[in-house]
Amino acid sequence: GDSVTQMEGPVTLSEEAFLTINCTYTATGYPSLFWYVQYPGEGLQLLLKATKADDKGSNKGFEATYRKETTSFHLEKGSVQVSDSAVYFCALSDRDTGFQKLVFGTGTRLLVSP
Amino acid sequence: DVKVTQSSRYLVKRTGEKVFLECVQDMDHENMFWYRQDPGLGLRLIYFSYDVKMKEKGDIPEGYSVSREKKERFSLILESASTNQTSMYLCASSLFGQGKGNTIYFGEGSWLTVV
Repeated sequence: GDSVTQMEGPVTLSEEAFLTINCTYTATGYPSLFWYVQYPGEGLQLLLKATKADDKGSNKGFEATYRKETTSFHLEKGSVQVSDSAVYFCALSDRDTGFQKLVFGTGTRLLVSP
Repeated sequence: DVKVTQSSRYLVKRTGEKVFLECVQDMDHENMFWYRQDPGLGLRLIYFSYDVKMKEKGDIPEGYSVSREKKERFSLILESASTNQTSMYLCASSLFGQGKGNTIYFGEGSWLTVV
């Protein structure tokens, strides 16, 4: 079945550092890929998405590129802020479910210090 | 903006109690979901509904049931709460049939503690 693997956290960075959170997936066909963010005490919010190979999703300074050859969708940001401290979830949906459901990774906690 | 509202943010229930978690969405979405979130396990799908009175089991349905009598409301029911159901529960909704770009919207979550 489908699965998503994320790097274990927490990831601890100083403000303005470069961020990479790795995400790889296993799926049949060509899934859609998502990053969701969960700020403390809140639900999940969609951060960005990509629906086909080589697409780049971007939002709020975050980027991720859909790499079919490496089955990856790594999240990057050039300069993190304290306000980026949150848990980040990589997820996919695929044709088997009509793109109606999401399969999530385990989440990666990011801690940014001033 | 899409709004998914979960009626209770924090609940404490006793073992064996029947527990209802309520969720309402205001965007006329056909699909609604209940997920459970646990540290190290991410989000796991409990139940999914794609229409009124329709439901489909997710990955971990045991010990749970659901009810969808109206399109905007999706309830999660714990028939007899147990301590291993202590968790964060997330409701979500989405439009049906949006294809590859389909986006799922989440509520703020309900923290349930079973003692």
